[in-house]
Amino acid sequence: AQSVAQPEDQVNVAEGNPLTVKCTYSVSGNPYLFWYVQYPNRGLQFLLKYITGDNLVKGSYGFEAEFNKSQTSFHLKKPSALVSDSALYFCAVRDIGPSGTYKYIFGTGTRLKVLA
Amino acid sequence: EPEVTQTPSHQVTQMGQEVILRCVPISNHLYFYWYRQILGQKVEFLVSFYNNEISEKSEIFDDQFSVERPDGSNFTLKIRSTKLEDSAMYFCAGSDAKSSYEQYFGPGTRLTVT
Repeated sequence: AQSVAQPEDQVNVAEGNPLTVKCTYSVSGNPYLFWYVQYPNRGLQFLLKYITGDNLVKGSYGFEAEFNKSQTSFHLKKPSALVSDSALYFCAVRDIGPSGTYKYIFGTGTRLKVLA
Repeated sequence: EPEVTQTPSHQVTQMGQEVILRCVPISNHLYFYWYRQILGQKVEFLVSFYNNEISEKSEIFDDQFSVERPDGSNFTLKIRSTKLEDSAMYFCAGSDAKSSYEQYFGPGTRLTVT
């Protein structure tokens, strides 16, 4: 079964510093990986995805993620954190059901706190 | 930019009562989903829906749950007899094609069962 793991419940980083939010995956076949962000009282917003191609994927709001097949990781990164980046971040993998439709399997989430 | 909307934003109900959570997906979407997030836990898949029928459902989605798209725009999740453990945030999502890689999520409905 497909799964993702987010080993950190919370990450604190100073504004202006680089940030990394970690995600590792376990899949059979090719991984289709996603990052979503959840701001307070808001839904899940798509940040970026890895399907195939370049291992460095660029997404919304200056975020990027690095796909590493040998380490089965898909860490989310940003070169310079903003206070407004403070939110809950979810890593997800796409899974296919018996009828051929897709669903996401989410990680447990990592709360990012950017300190001014 | 079109958005998925959900109503109500917060629903409080007593144990044993029926609740209906409503979603209006993006108009050109064809595949619809419900997920839930119990406070402090991860987001879990409940059900997927296409062409007016359930495509897949998780173990969570038992006989107390049902979904329908009654009028071609709304997509509803009904819980017939709520339990305390149904308290969670419920997210609706949609995608425009079976092979679409992105699902678009609504803001969620917080259900509190007392």
